[in-house]
Amino acid sequence: GAVVSQHPSRVICKSGTSVKIECRSLDFQATTMFWYRQFPKQSLMLMATSNEGSKATYEQGVEKDKFLINHASLTLSTLTVTSAHPEDSSFYICSASKGLATTGELFFGEGSRLTVL
Amino acid sequence: GDSVTQMEGPVTLSEEAFLTINCTYTATGYPSLFWYVQYPGEGLQLLLKATKADDKGSNKGFEATYRKETTSFHLEKGSVQVSDSAVYFCALRGGTGGFKTIFGAGTRLFVKA
Repeated sequence: GAVVSQHPSRVICKSGTSVKIECRSLDFQATTMFWYRQFPKQSLMLMATSNEGSKATYEQGVEKDKFLINHASLTLSTLTVTSAHPEDSSFYICSASKGLATTGELFFGEGSRLTVL
Repeated sequence: GDSVTQMEGPVTLSEEAFLTINCTYTATGYPSLFWYVQYPGEGLQLLLKATKADDKGSNKGFEATYRKETTSFHLEKGSVQVSDSAVYFCALRGGTGGFKTIFGAGTRLFVKA
């Protein structure tokens, strides 16, 4: 199988603080990982594509200085929400694919629910 | 850009009823098409996929056929079970967006005993 683990699953923080979410591929190497934000009515919005050893590619409208993404190894990508505000409260989901073929499916982490007070 | 449109939910069915969840897409090139499912409290997982026109993906009694002429990938199951209650997402990859996966809004299914 292909397992992606995300941590923490839930986090509550105060406004103005920073929060880091980790995404690990446990049994395969993920050259590319993707970070999504899931809104209350279920849709997943792609935030950024994270490539090992290089800068992340952000989607239009996503603030790269607020959502810092680091992909330091083939099994770990992190998303740091900096100076969090209540509007950043959401469900963040990471995913990874094996290889480079666009026919391949994504493997998802369990998601992280962020609540900013 | 690429987009995926799927029917709004929630969809409520009785056990053993027939299920159809419509999905249409807009993309250039030859994208691969996917259905993902999110069970309560769990992460998304692949349900089935099709990588070229006229391919049929199937898994756990669910089926979907890649129809290029109608740009559709409708999900069907002949007899749903309570355990099928979940949110279903249609998605595409490999169109204009290349490596990215684009998701539909998701359709929540409730199956009553």
